[in-house]
Amino acid sequence: AQTVTQSQPEMSVQEAETVTLSCTYDTSESDYYLFWYKQPPSRQMILVIRQEAYKQQNATENRFSVNFQKAAKSFSLKISDSQLGDAAMYFCAYRSIGGATNKLIFGTGTLLAVQP
Amino acid sequence: DGGITQSPKYLFRKEGQNVTLSCEQNLNHDAMYWYRQDPGQGLRLIYYSQIVNDFQKGDIAEGYSVSREKKESFPLTVTSAQKNPTAFYLCASSITPGQYNEQFFGPGTRLTVL
Repeated sequence: AQTVTQSQPEMSVQEAETVTLSCTYDTSESDYYLFWYKQPPSRQMILVIRQEAYKQQNATENRFSVNFQKAAKSFSLKISDSQLGDAAMYFCAYRSIGGATNKLIFGTGTLLAVQP
Repeated sequence: DGGITQSPKYLFRKEGQNVTLSCEQNLNHDAMYWYRQDPGQGLRLIYYSQIVNDFQKGDIAEGYSVSREKKESFPLTVTSAQKNPTAFYLCASSITPGQYNEQFFGPGTRLTVL
C-alpha cells in the first residue's frame, strides 16, 4: 500500500522569505500523481500544485514550485516570497493512475506560520 | 457560482444518535467522496461514489453509511455504531474517476459528540 510522510509537523518563515516543505512517499507503482493541498484556518482544502510522475519537469504555479525526485520518492514544496496569506496547514497527497477510484492518500500535514 | 456545499457547519450529537451530513455539488461531477480529518492525521477516505446509485467503502467505512440517489447529492450518515465520531468531515467531488482530475472540496462539517 502507498504511504505519504510529512516529517515536519510545523514550520515557520519570515514574510518575503522562501520556505521548503518536505514530503516523501512509498509506492511500487511507476506512474502516479502527486499533489500539495493548502488548508487555511477556514479549513477549506485548496489545491496548490500537482505533478505527474511521468513528467520530469518540476511543476510551478506562480510562487509555488516543487522539487520532484522520483528515484528518491521525494516531493517537496517551495514557497517563494512568502506572504501572510500562505499561513496554513499543507498536505501532500498521492494518487494512483488508472485505479478504480480517485482516492487520495494524504500525509499528516505541515503547519506553516508566516512571521511579519 | 459552481461549488460544493456542506451543511451544517457545526453539528452536535448525543451518544446513540444517528446524524446525517449533507453534501451538494453543482459542478456536474460524476464522482463524490467523503473524508474524515482528525488532529495530527491526514484525511482518510470513508466512502466514495463514482456514479448515481453506486458507492463503495473507503478505508474507514465502519459506522458510516451513504446514499447516492442524485448526481448532485451524497449525504453521509454517522451511525451510533461509529465509536469515535467526533471529527471534521470533508466532502469532495471530481469529474471522472480513473482520469487525472483534481478533487474539489467543500468547506467541511465539524461533528462533536456530547
